[in-house]
Amino acid sequence: KAGVTQTPRYLIKTRGQQVTLSCSPISGHRSVSWYQQTPGQGLQFLFEYFSETQRNKGNFPGRFSGRQFSNSRSEMNVSTLELGDSALYLCASKGEGEAFFGQGTRLTVV
Amino acid sequence: AQKITQTQPGMFVQEKEAVTLDCTYDTSDQSYGLFWYKQPSSGEMIFLIYQGSYDEQNATEGRYSLNFQKARKSANLVISASQLGDSAMYFCAMRENSGGSNYKLTFGKGTLLTVNP
Repeated sequence: KAGVTQTPRYLIKTRGQQVTLSCSPISGHRSVSWYQQTPGQGLQFLFEYFSETQRNKGNFPGRFSGRQFSNSRSEMNVSTLELGDSALYLCASKGEGEAFFGQGTRLTVV
Repeated sequence: AQKITQTQPGMFVQEKEAVTLDCTYDTSDQSYGLFWYKQPSSGEMIFLIYQGSYDEQNATEGRYSLNFQKARKSANLVISASQLGDSAMYFCAMRENSGGSNYKLTFGKGTLLTVNP
């Protein structure tokens, strides 16, 4: 289903830098979740936001943070990047009985 | 804790044939939902089908159907009349609570499907 927009699509950063990723959910969806996908660990849950409040958080260090705005758009931030943060970051826009993903942001840390 | 198991790391199917991708799950919740996603090499996670734990009928969406066997805790995806474009990674996922939009998804490790001409 069209409508979940993640920006940027690709990103190359240097170790120690920080990065901000953006996700605009489907119109009408107030819940957004973020996932990290790596070849070794698969898909791992980062956090979930609903109506600007973080409702769930996965087992990631405090360098990973997020927020949600009043228009339901969400951002996630990773500070002090490490090589192991290289991954595909996926955002899910959720309604009842449906969860649609954006195209993801592929982050490479060098 | 919830767990999704996909036992087939890779599957091969001939074009135009049907294929079943296995998914078993473990949960202590009575209310939950099951999803299947397709992920081509581009990376986008494409929603295919959803089944709520209280849905009496198996979900179907075009060539996709979900064979839901609650007692066996399985939710296999059946793709009929496979096409070359079906070649991709397929993920089974589960949510706790089948109502509302506050939930996280637990994913299996995926099955790489290759459709041969």
